[in-house]
Amino acid sequence: AQSVTQPDIHITVSEGASLELRCNYSYGATPYLFWYVQSPGQGLQLLLKYFSGDTLVQGIKGFEAEFKRSQSSFNLRKPSVHWSDAAEYFCAVGPSGGYQKVTFGIGTKLQVIP
Amino acid sequence: DAGVIQSPRHEVTEMGQEVTLRCKPISGHNSLFWYRQTMMRGLELLIYFNNNVPIDDSGMPEDRFSAKMPNASFSTLKIQPSEPRDSAVYFCASSSGQGLSGELFFGEGSRLTVL
Repeated sequence: AQSVTQPDIHITVSEGASLELRCNYSYGATPYLFWYVQSPGQGLQLLLKYFSGDTLVQGIKGFEAEFKRSQSSFNLRKPSVHWSDAAEYFCAVGPSGGYQKVTFGIGTKLQVIP
Repeated sequence: DAGVIQSPRHEVTEMGQEVTLRCKPISGHNSLFWYRQTMMRGLELLIYFNNNVPIDDSGMPEDRFSAKMPNASFSTLKIQPSEPRDSAVYFCASSSGQGLSGELFFGEGSRLTVL
């Protein structure tokens, strides 16, 4: 069965600092990997996704993520965090074939301080 | 373009009452998902439909929960009878399924409080 682990429930960073959110997945084959962001009171919005090819993926809002097969990881990064990035971030994994059953991690809540 | 539309946004009800949550997916999307989000368990997939057919309902907690998708533009999630532990935010999401892109488009959620 597929699963996602986000080891950090809560992270606080200063505005302008760099950010890395960790994600490890378990999946028996080549996965599709996603990062979603949820602002308070809102639904989830896709930041970026990895299917194949270049293991460094660029997304919206200046985010990027790197797929490392050997480490079963798909960490999300941003060089300089803005106060508006405060939100909850979800890593997700889905199958590369068949129906699109996507499994989400527990989420990492990001707090940005001045 | 309109996104996924859910109603009601907020629902407060008493234990034992029936609750019906509604979802209108994005036009042209052929997959629809119901998720439940709680602090303790995060985001859980309850059920998903493909071309209006329920494909996997293994996440439905128990018989008190039921979901239908009578046509491509409408789905309901019903809880009868409701219990306090059902209090959560329920999200509907849809996906086009084209090329298995996997991107889910979420509604804003229905926050359910069962007293």
